[in-house]
Amino acid sequence: ETGVTQTPRHLVMGMTNKKSLKCEQHLGHNAMYWYKQSAKKPLELMFVYNFKEQTENNSVPSRFSPECPNSSHLFLHLHTLQPEDSALYLCASSQGRVATNEKLFFGSGTQLSVL
Amino acid sequence: AQSVTQLGSHVSVSEGALVLLRCNYSSSVPPYLFWYVQYPNQGLQLLLKYTSAATLVKGINGFEAEFKKSETSFHLTKPSAHMSDAAEYFCAVSDAGSNYKLTFGKGTLLTVNP
Repeated sequence: ETGVTQTPRHLVMGMTNKKSLKCEQHLGHNAMYWYKQSAKKPLELMFVYNFKEQTENNSVPSRFSPECPNSSHLFLHLHTLQPEDSALYLCASSQGRVATNEKLFFGSGTQLSVL
Repeated sequence: AQSVTQLGSHVSVSEGALVLLRCNYSSSVPPYLFWYVQYPNQGLQLLLKYTSAATLVKGINGFEAEFKKSETSFHLTKPSAHMSDAAEYFCAVSDAGSNYKLTFGKGTLLTVNP
């Protein structure tokens, strides 16, 4: 049990669908993250929230829309995705800033397939 | 921008053999360095991190890594591989320009043969 729970574990969607990924952390952390993991590529940081405020947006296309209603919950809303968006989407949390050597706690991810 | 290079996308060793996974980083200042491990169908979990207190860092499951500033390296080792070590290993470095960003390498898949 990592303390970070992601649902669903698997998602198949068409290019015109709208779906949402959910992440919940039970660790009392302040920061939450969305990462994209594609085969043969490094993990890509998408968004970071600290105390519900977005602190990082790494030039992510607008078809990905994050939402952080509180420090324990993070959503990623998906619409009109492309096949190249198929990947494992990982949620993570940390107590503080990784720049001060804090470690990330990851969920098991949502494997997304866009048809 | 930071970059992390992991030499060898796939390393195969025999059970009981030495494990050596290589990581080199580019940074003008000493960064914070991490090794994460990902077992099949799971998220990443921290193996160890460099804290600047010591250049040789010990982690979980018998792994350790040595920080060598002159070589900008942070290689991961384990004296004797176990079947349960089969997983993908990621080296990561903190980004001096961001409080929250880690730059990850592409990962090295470790296979352990009986």
